[in-house]
Amino acid sequence: KQEVTQIPAALSVPEGENLVLNCSFTDSAIYNLQWFRQDPGKGLTSLLLIQSSQREQTSGRLNASLDKSSGRSTLYIAASQPGDSATYLCAAPLSSGSARQLTFGSGTQLTVLP
Amino acid sequence: DAGVTQSPTHLIKTRGQQVTLRCSPKSGHDTVSWYQQALGQGPQFIFQYYEEEERQRGNFPDRFSGHQFPNYSSELNVNALLLGDSALYLCASSLGTGGVIGQFFGPGTRLTVL
Repeated sequence: KQEVTQIPAALSVPEGENLVLNCSFTDSAIYNLQWFRQDPGKGLTSLLLIQSSQREQTSGRLNASLDKSSGRSTLYIAASQPGDSATYLCAAPLSSGSARQLTFGSGTQLTVLP
Repeated sequence: DAGVTQSPTHLIKTRGQQVTLRCSPKSGHDTVSWYQQALGQGPQFIFQYYEEEERQRGNFPDRFSGHQFPNYSSELNVNALLLGDSALYLCASSLGTGGVIGQFFGPGTRLTVL
């Protein structure tokens, strides 16, 4: 059974700071790893997807890395802005089974202060 | 390109009642997964539908059932509602089981059980 942990649970930073969010998973036999953003009371917006054979993905100010051997992924946000304030979730479906069931962490609640 | 849509947005029911939630997948997607998200937690996988069949099920009782239609849209039914069923219900769509391009989420349906 896959278990996903995200640290820290909450983070508050001043605008302009670079920051790192952490995601760890117990079963390294993952198919891929996906990072999502969730605004309060809203659905999930996909940010980045890293295939199991990849080491990192970049989109604008976001960079996600994946280290399967250590069971870790990080999401790096450069030059943070107040609009980045949201909850960030990672999910790591296992490669076994027919359905890519997403197992989520509890998320990191990010607040960027102006 | 329409994304994943869900209806209704909000729903209030009383204990013991039954509820039906609806989801239309992103254009070109053929697989629908349902997730339950309690306040402050990450989403929990309920089940996935592909080719009008339930392909995989999470740790949810039989009170939770679903259906997928030939146009790939899906319904989630919950019978004999309990207070603990109050949550945000998220629908995610994907092509196949969602391994290559990941899963894309709708805005969710907020269910409140009184």
